[in-house]
Amino acid sequence: DQQVKQNSPSLSVQEGRISILNCDYTNSMFDYFLWYKKYPAEGPTFLISISSIKDKNEDGRFTVFLNKSAKHLSLHIVPSQPGDSAVYFCAASAWGWGGSQGNLIFGKGTKLSVKP
Amino acid sequence: DAGVTQSPTHLIKTRGQHVTLRCSPISGHKSVSWYQQVLGQGPQFIFQYYEKEERGRGNFPDRFSARQFPNYSSELNVNALLLGDSALYLCASSLDGISTDTQYFGPGTRLTVL
Repeated sequence: DQQVKQNSPSLSVQEGRISILNCDYTNSMFDYFLWYKKYPAEGPTFLISISSIKDKNEDGRFTVFLNKSAKHLSLHIVPSQPGDSAVYFCAASAWGWGGSQGNLIFGKGTKLSVKP
Repeated sequence: DAGVTQSPTHLIKTRGQHVTLRCSPISGHKSVSWYQQVLGQGPQFIFQYYEKEERGRGNFPDRFSARQFPNYSSELNVNALLLGDSALYLCASSLDGISTDTQYFGPGTRLTVL
């Protein structure tokens, strides 16, 4: 049973436009959410995170929104650039869940393509 | 500042062999976690270590083991390799390994089992 779901395997947007990547989760104990970007043959690179006590966090062109009642979060990238083309992973963790205090649960990822 | 480093970068083994993967965390980070990523999937949690003690373990067989050293570096060992162990093995470090710590990943070790 997948606890973190990224239902869109891929997304294509035009350079300069907004990219919106979505993520749903089922475990209400999750208290911290992160987005990572991954290029082929590299490890995931941390982008932005949000605590469950907030509903929005911004960092430059990246904004993450959290809707706890809907168990949904999204990553907005504005404006999108060709260098943003990568696989984006949503991840979540919960205090004391799964026998660990730092066990990240990942979605399957969404491949973003930003076209010039 | 150096990020998380992992060695080797690539590794080819045959079924039944043993493998040891190594990880050095970011300076000042006391927690190291290991993840396995197979093609088309997100990383899957294997182990977490904090201050040389195992803090958590994912749903992996006993063929997988790990340890953390006094300098906070870590090793992941896999015995009796199977074809299905072929994957990218990722190491991540964080300050204290709690759920609200950001985990920073290394470049990974690509293991191929023939």
